[in-house]
Amino acid sequence: DQQVKQNSPSLSVQEGRISILNCDYTNSMFDYFLWYKKYPAEGPTFLISISSIKDKNEDGRFTVFLNKSAKHLSLHIVPSQPGDSAVYFCAASDSGAGSYQLTFGKGTKLSVIP
Amino acid sequence: NAGVMQNPRHLVRRRGQEARLRCSPMKGHSHVYWYRQLPEEGLKFMVYLQKENIIDESGMPKERFSAEFPKEGPSILRIQQVVRGDSAAYFCASFLRTGGGLAKNIQYFGAGTRLSVL
Repeated sequence: DQQVKQNSPSLSVQEGRISILNCDYTNSMFDYFLWYKKYPAEGPTFLISISSIKDKNEDGRFTVFLNKSAKHLSLHIVPSQPGDSAVYFCAASDSGAGSYQLTFGKGTKLSVIP
Repeated sequence: NAGVMQNPRHLVRRRGQEARLRCSPMKGHSHVYWYRQLPEEGLKFMVYLQKENIIDESGMPKERFSAEFPKEGPSILRIQQVVRGDSAAYFCASFLRTGGGLAKNIQYFGAGTRLSVL
């Protein structure tokens, strides 16, 4: 039972254009969402997060949008840079569960082409 | 990332041996999570510990796996009698629990230990 789904295993984008990574979830108890970036042989690096009381959060080139009714969130990167090439993981947590454990999607591999 | 230290980075064990993975959290963090990543998969929660306490071990396999976070020293994930299916990347994350609201409840990950079972 996959509660967080990233349906696109890979995405290729031209440098300078917008990258849009999508994530869907099924558990309506999730109230905090995070995006992590991961390079090979390294650990995930926190990028940006959003709580369920908001529908948008922006940090520099990164913006996360949350559509609670659709149980969908997306990460926008603009403009995309070659250094953004990595695997991006969407993660969610249920603060009511107490442990704040993260449930991850399988990731989307982003390739930014120079 | 740089603040959470995991060692060893790579660990090779033969079937039936024991594996010990260590994690030191970021300075000031007293909460630690362990996650496992199988090839082509996302990270899966295993266990959540506070100093000297296991808070949530609902993701731990019932047998052969144990975890601890003593008052002094790193958190240890221990796998007894390893099997080939235990081959994976094991990540530790540390967490500064702010006690209210969600704004700062972000987990910071170490570089991971890649366990290979021959």
